[in-house]
Amino acid sequence: DVKVTQSSRYLVKRTGEKVFLECVQDMDHENMFWYRQDPGLGLRLIYFSYDVKMKEKGDIPEGYSVSREKKERFSLILESASTNQTSMYLCASSIGQGLDNSPLHFGNGTRLTVT
Amino acid sequence: KQEVTQIPAALSVPEGENLVLNCSFTDSAIYNLQWFRQDPGKGLTSLLLIQSSQREQTSGRLNASLDKSSGRSTLYIAASQPGDSATYLCAVCNFNKFYFGSGTKLNVKP
Repeated sequence: DVKVTQSSRYLVKRTGEKVFLECVQDMDHENMFWYRQDPGLGLRLIYFSYDVKMKEKGDIPEGYSVSREKKERFSLILESASTNQTSMYLCASSIGQGLDNSPLHFGNGTRLTVT
Repeated sequence: KQEVTQIPAALSVPEGENLVLNCSFTDSAIYNLQWFRQDPGKGLTSLLLIQSSQREQTSGRLNASLDKSSGRSTLYIAASQPGDSATYLCAVCNFNKFYFGSGTKLNVKP
């Protein structure tokens, strides 16, 4: 089974802090994604990556950056956390390799609260 | 841009009922459609994936159908159980990007 692991289930940070959310997958997947999920707004794509050191903006990249130095790890960075970034953050991965029919696998999520 | 809609937003049924959840999408040029289950405070668990060339997929008491031409998918749950209570989301894949509906919150009453 594919395992997507997010390093923290719950985080509480202060406004202005730099925040790192880590995600690791163990199935050699090429594609990795970061979403945020908010009541009434559903899942929104922040950033995604098709390969090491490669990244593309999703629908709401403002205030975020990402890093993918190794294939298995995809980090989401909040450069200066703000209260409107309080949310559930979900990491996901899929095979890629041109196999567009591959399923998406999610981690358990990180509930981030910015005070 | 692809828009995905799920109706109803919430559904409450007595245990044992068969039920249908609906998902519609605006752009029929999809690679696949995936149904997920999400329990409160957790991530999404994949239930079924239907490739664009398929009409349906089955797993246990779950059956998902896909009609690309009309932009619709249904998730059929047979003999519902309280343990089925969760939010069910559908997602369509276009060119390695996934578009999600807002989900249907299902409550199965004992």
